[in-house]
Amino acid sequence: EPEVTQTPSHQVTQMGQEVILRCVPISNHLYFYWYRQILGQKVEFLVSFYNNEISEKSEIFDDQFSVERPDGSNFTLKIRSTKLEDSAMYFCASMKWDSGELFFGEGSRLTVL
Amino acid sequence: SQQGEEDPQALSIQEGENATMNCSYKTSINNLQWYRQNSGRGLVHLILIRSNEREKHSGRLRVTLDTSKKSSSLLITASRAADTASYFCATDDDTGGFKTIFGAGTRLFVKA
Repeated sequence: EPEVTQTPSHQVTQMGQEVILRCVPISNHLYFYWYRQILGQKVEFLVSFYNNEISEKSEIFDDQFSVERPDGSNFTLKIRSTKLEDSAMYFCASMKWDSGELFFGEGSRLTVL
Repeated sequence: SQQGEEDPQALSIQEGENATMNCSYKTSINNLQWYRQNSGRGLVHLILIRSNEREKHSGRLRVTLDTSKKSSSLLITASRAADTASYFCATDDDTGGFKTIFGAGTRLFVKA
């Protein structure tokens, strides 16, 4: 069964460093999302992406964040200069069409020291 | 805020009992969904109910939606220890953007 894959599963970085989290959505899906979940807390919407551009973004998704779909298969989230409070699980999700059903990857755990 | 808010925050029941979780939201929606998350894992879609539907079933799951009260409930019948997980409701608003917002979740613990 097709699935959303995310790499790395866990990344440890120093504060101020740049981080890129990678996602390979399901191949025929058209809508892509990034969410984050601080340990034990709610799943927070960051950004949605459709037709090679950002569709929606939250207040969390400030200038330190960017997304890219560089080659038609990967979907990346870049954090330019990480802060301690960026430590969280980051989930990528994709959706085939405007069906509402999101398919999630297993997440990338980011630890900022 | 568009977010759904679940109630209760945590629920502990015996295997075989039914579990009911509630969700409230604030604005008009296109649909409401329920997801499940095992500890430290990704979310798994369970069921979607559209704004013009009132009830939907899928196996042991029953979801209701009351748009006049802006609320939904998820009923898991004949619960099993394997149902132990966090359950989240999620809403898509009707503004046309792609922005599925999740509530805080209910942590369900089913004792064997």
